[in-house]
Amino acid sequence: EVQLVESGGDLVQPGGSLRLSCAASGFTFSTYWMTWVRQAPGKGLEWVANINQDGSEKYYMDSVKGRFTISRDNAKNSLYLQMNSLRAEDTSVYYCARSGVSIAATVWDWGQGTLVTVSS
Amino acid sequence: QSALTQPRSVSGSPGQSVTVSCTGTSSDVGAYNFVSWYQQHPDKAPKLMIYDVTKRPSGVPVRFSGSKSGNTASLTISGLQAEDEANYYCCSFADSSTLVFGGGTKLTVL
Repeated sequence: EVQLVESGGDLVQPGGSLRLSCAASGFTFSTYWMTWVRQAPGKGLEWVANINQDGSEKYYMDSVKGRFTISRDNAKNSLYLQMNSLRAEDTSVYYCARSGVSIAATVWDWGQGTLVTVSS
Repeated sequence: QSALTQPRSVSGSPGQSVTVSCTGTSSDVGAYNFVSWYQQHPDKAPKLMIYDVTKRPSGVPVRFSGSKSGNTASLTISGLQAEDEANYYCCSFADSSTLVFGGGTKLTVL
């Protein structure tokens, strides 16, 4: 059974930083694209970033480019999201997700999410 | 990276069929056969219901089906059941290996 467990969500002031982690199990982590998706309170889903199997390809939504960095450690079966220069509009539940093998076109499995609140 | 357009809400009675539309552009829905649909119940993580426009993952009832014409994709739920009441989101692969979601549609089973 695929399991994705996020951690690291917290209350942070505007301009601050936070690092989210995702522990993956139940599948061969190193063979899949991985994705972060977020959902602001009461709002819809929003794709944030994805990363290929060896970390050589990374893609971001426009509003987080230059502020967020996606990374992975295949030896630890872990996915990360480093978030800097946080803004109020980044307040969301952040989901770690497993995408495909050849292409990150589908989000197959989701974690339960971790809440990031940006407020003074 | 503009969101795909979905109706805010749809409704139907048990046993009826409903269709949720999802309109994008020639850079996302119209360009790729990589449209997926997700069901989300309140305070739960989303669940994949349809992928690659028409395919159902194992365990998803055959009542759920997907289609696409031009820049618009659709999710049809036949034989509505009470447990289908949820929010539904479409998603499309887009240029530069990005993903774009729709704004979501709230399905009410009357």
